[in-house]
Amino acid sequence: GAVVSQHPSWVICKSGTSVKIECRSLDFQATTMFWYRQFPKQSLMLMATSNEGSKATYEQGVEKDKFLINHASLTLSTLTVTSAHPEDSSFYICSAYTALNTEAFFGQGTRLTVV
Amino acid sequence: GENVEQHPSTLSVQEGDSAVIKCTYSDSASNYFPWYKQELGKRPQLIIDIRSNVGEKKDQRIAVTLNKTAKHFSLHITETQPEDSAVYFCAAYNFNKFYFGSGTKLNVKP
Repeated sequence: GAVVSQHPSWVICKSGTSVKIECRSLDFQATTMFWYRQFPKQSLMLMATSNEGSKATYEQGVEKDKFLINHASLTLSTLTVTSAHPEDSSFYICSAYTALNTEAFFGQGTRLTVV
Repeated sequence: GENVEQHPSTLSVQEGDSAVIKCTYSDSASNYFPWYKQELGKRPQLIIDIRSNVGEKKDQRIAVTLNKTAKHFSLHITETQPEDSAVYFCAAYNFNKFYFGSGTKLNVKP
């Protein structure tokens, strides 16, 4: 299957700092990239949907000024958690989607810990 | 938007038995239904999927059924093995988004 690479796999940062997470589709062009947040033992919560070259669409309750998404190319999307707080600590996963066969492939996830 | 419900939340079976996980969805426009397996701390991996023009699909020990009228779909795992232990998520796709169920933690006891 297609490969989606997400970096970093884990990061620890201080409160008030910003953290950038990258999501790359390595061997295909992703029409759309999705960003999810997953709490322990819970499901994937969709945060936002981004299409290359356009602004991301955020789900209700997700602060767009706190979770900045940039989708500069068909193979790269970034999520920046700005002014991070301990409650932002979570597992963040990206997913790249190709319209060719309506399939989504997941990155390996990023464990963010804010101290 | 779409609402996907998944049951049960936990399922424990004896090795060799079958396991069935069920999901319902609310939007009849949903047309693609993948199932993902997620091991602890790892990314979800697609294990099987079904599109709305098909009623059943099988891949070795795994099968998925879809009832469009009732808006429900199910995952069936036969001859379960300890390595099948994981969290399984169903999802429904429409209007360029995937909506996930709440997950089922499957425990296969040796």
